[in-house]
Amino acid sequence: SQQGEEDPQALSIQEGENATMNCSYKTSINNLQWYRQNSGRGLVHLILIRSNEREKHSGRLRVTLDTSKKSSSLLITASRAADTASYFCAHYNNNDMRFGAGTRLTVKP
Amino acid sequence: DGGITQSPKYLFRKEGQNVTLSCEQNLNHDAMYWYRQDPGQGLRLIYYSQIVNDFQKGDIAEGYSVSREKKESFPLTVTSAQKNPTAFYLCASSISTNSPLHFGNGTRLTVT
Repeated sequence: SQQGEEDPQALSIQEGENATMNCSYKTSINNLQWYRQNSGRGLVHLILIRSNEREKHSGRLRVTLDTSKKSSSLLITASRAADTASYFCAHYNNNDMRFGAGTRLTVKP
Repeated sequence: DGGITQSPKYLFRKEGQNVTLSCEQNLNHDAMYWYRQDPGQGLRLIYYSQIVNDFQKGDIAEGYSVSREKKESFPLTVTSAQKNPTAFYLCASSISTNSPLHFGNGTRLTVT
């Protein structure tokens, strides 16, 4: 079963706008990770935020983590058409990694 | 360059036949994973292995089998017992627990 849930399931924005995706999880975590998947390809790791961190930045990506609410958000600023992809949050459950259902982001040029 | 190679990219089989999907990594990672992805869905864990000669079932192991005889290789066999095997299969590896996963580009299996 999936152990993370992304919200929204799908998001469509114009190039240049910001995109925010949310993730909720159920168990305690050591860290939470975000991945990107282009259509028909494998997932690519984007960013990892540790349980003792509240915010982390990487280029145009900003991730927040609220362990009290068991939630995280991924913000992509100044989106580009090339950001069109599915985005997944994930965390380890004991020794295996569990993924949410993903947010499908479409950035229109 | 280090990475994970899954082959073939597309695979077609007749119902009732077993089929083996290949996954090889040269990242020297200890842990390897197999996931299944159905259209528009997230990833579901089939099997994972933390070390050579050891593996554990994930959420949907029924109808699948794996082996881990070498650190570099983690092949997945889809048996005839798997009721709905048509899907996109992804292999991944990580250096250790809590580390990011590195993914292959997947094998799309179609069974008719």
